[in-house]
Amino acid sequence: ETGVTQTPRHLVMGMTNKKSLKCEQHLGHNAMYWYKQSAKKPLELMFVYSLEERVENNSVPSRFSPECPNSSHLFLHLHTLQPEDSALYLCASSQDRLGLGNTIYFGEGSWLTVV
Amino acid sequence: AQSVAQPEDQVNVAEGNPLTVKCTYSVSGNPYLFWYVQYPNRGLQFLLKYITGDNLVKGSYGFEAEFNKSQTSFHLKKPSALVSDSALYFCAVRDTLSASKIIFGSGTRLSIRP
Repeated sequence: ETGVTQTPRHLVMGMTNKKSLKCEQHLGHNAMYWYKQSAKKPLELMFVYSLEERVENNSVPSRFSPECPNSSHLFLHLHTLQPEDSALYLCASSQDRLGLGNTIYFGEGSWLTVV
Repeated sequence: AQSVAQPEDQVNVAEGNPLTVKCTYSVSGNPYLFWYVQYPNRGLQFLLKYITGDNLVKGSYGFEAEFNKSQTSFHLKKPSALVSDSALYFCAVRDTLSASKIIFGSGTRLSIRP
């Protein structure tokens, strides 16, 4: 138990579906992140939120839409995805985004398969 | 450019033997280094980190890592490997030019044979 909970753990969706991934952290952190982990590729940082404000968007296609309603919750809304978007999506949090020594804690991930 | 490298895709060790998983880094300024472990179908779990101070850092599950500034390395070690240590290990370094980012290595798969 890392204090970061992701749901669902597994999701299969068609290319025309709309679905959402949910993340909740119980650590009192102020920064939250979405990462993508694909086979044979390094972890990719997608979005960074600090105190509910999006501070980074690393050239992610608009078919991925993040939402951070408060500092404990983070969503990733998915719409018209492509098969190459199939991957493990990891949510993470840290005390704040600027502390270089702050540890980033990850959730268990959501396995997404786009068919 | 700031980076971290894990030169070995796979490390094979017999149970009970010492293990080392290698990591080298390149950053501007002082490095902030991390090791994570990923078991099958799980997220990344934090093992240990180096910020400052003693070059030998102790972490979870009996792992430790040695920071070597002259060799820009941060190798992960354990004196006696267990079969349950078999997993994917990631070295990471904070991007000192963009604090939000942590740069991950490509990962090393550790396999411990009984």
